[in-house]
Amino acid sequence: DQQVKQNSPSLSVQEGRISILNCDYTNSMFDYFLWYKKYPAEGPTFLISISSIKDKNEDGRFTVFLNKSAKHLSLHIVPSQPGDSAVYFCAASVRTGGGADGLTFGKGTHLIIQP
Amino acid sequence: DVKVTQSSRYLVKRTGEKVFLECVQDMDHENMFWYRQDPGLGLRLIYFSYDVKMKEKGDIPEGYSVSREKKERFSLILESASTNQTSMYLCASSFSRVADTQYFGPGTRLTVL
Repeated sequence: DQQVKQNSPSLSVQEGRISILNCDYTNSMFDYFLWYKKYPAEGPTFLISISSIKDKNEDGRFTVFLNKSAKHLSLHIVPSQPGDSAVYFCAASVRTGGGADGLTFGKGTHLIIQP
Repeated sequence: DVKVTQSSRYLVKRTGEKVFLECVQDMDHENMFWYRQDPGLGLRLIYFSYDVKMKEKGDIPEGYSVSREKKERFSLILESASTNQTSMYLCASSFSRVADTQYFGPGTRLTVL
């Protein structure tokens, strides 16, 4: 049973426009969410995170929004640049309670920025 | 900057061989993780460790074992490699026992013939 879902395997956006990547989760115990970016033949790099006590976190061109009631989060990239073309993974964890069970990842969305 | 290194970027092995994948982190992180990444399946957790000599099974531990003799080093072992273990293997580490931001190594692309 997939607890973190990224329903769009790929997304194509024109350079300069906004890219919106979506992620849904089913486990209501998740309280910490992260986005990772991955280029081919490289390891994922951490992009941005958000705790469940917040509904928005911003870092430069990247903003993550969290809607707990809908169990949905999204990553906004504005403006989109060619170097943003990569696979983006949404991940979630249960941070409270002292567990260390790793992150639960979605299957990823391949973002393609068109010139 | 956190640095996680993996012993090989590309590896080709034969079915039945014993394979060792090594991972080293230089930031004194408590937690270390092994994932595999396959097209359409995302990242799946194989094993993790939250202390020296401690290990916990992840979602897909079958066919794998791990070793953590030193805090900075976490090894993934394929006792008898099979073709369905052809994959990208990713090591990660995080600071504390409580789930935290994980930092990944560059990955090892393993092909089992």
